[in-house]
Amino acid sequence: GAVVSQHPSRVICKSGTSVKIECRSLDFQATTMFWYRQFPKQSLMLMATSNEGSKATYEQGVEKDKFLINHASLTLSTLTVTSAHPEDSSFYICSARDPFSQRGGRGNTGELFFGEGSRLTVL
Amino acid sequence: GNSVTQMEGPVTLSEEAFLTINCTYTATGYPSLFWYVQYPGEGLQLLLKATKADDKGSNKGFEATYRKETTSFHLEKGSVQVSDSAVYFCALRYTGFQKLVFGTGTRLLVSP
Repeated sequence: GAVVSQHPSRVICKSGTSVKIECRSLDFQATTMFWYRQFPKQSLMLMATSNEGSKATYEQGVEKDKFLINHASLTLSTLTVTSAHPEDSSFYICSARDPFSQRGGRGNTGELFFGEGSRLTVL
Repeated sequence: GNSVTQMEGPVTLSEEAFLTINCTYTATGYPSLFWYVQYPGEGLQLLLKATKADDKGSNKGFEATYRKETTSFHLEKGSVQVSDSAVYFCALRYTGFQKLVFGTGTRLLVSP
């Protein structure tokens, strides 16, 4: 089946540095990708929706200048955490929509496939 | 607003035990409901779904019924296996919208 891959799976960085996380759809072209963040014992929170070739749409409360999202191709979206601080430490998960999949549910817009997640630790 | 509430884990069971993971939701209208599973070291995978009231989603021995009257979508399996150990996420999505709203996830641990 379709696969979405994230890299790196774990990253540790110093406070003030920037970190880039990649999300790739390996065997389908994803016109839309989503970035989620998960804190311990909390649900996945959608951060932004990324559409290929256009600006990302951020959810309320997410700083777009801090979490830069680029979706330059149909198989790659990147999330860059700029000037990271310890409170940015979290588990970041991407998902990509396969527009030709028929398993997405009513009002289908294609099935969502998720990456393995990337754990960011900011020291 | 829209939200999904799941029972806190971990849920610890012996092999062949009966499993229920509760999920309730708060939403206006008629969302589609999903269960996702995340095995260790892997991404979330769609386990099953239901798109309207009284629909039953099923896959790999797991079942969940969309109960509008109780706004619930509880996950059940008659006989769990060690390989079912994973984190299970309940989620909802509205027709025509791409956004999924997730619960907090429930970790299931099955021992031999």
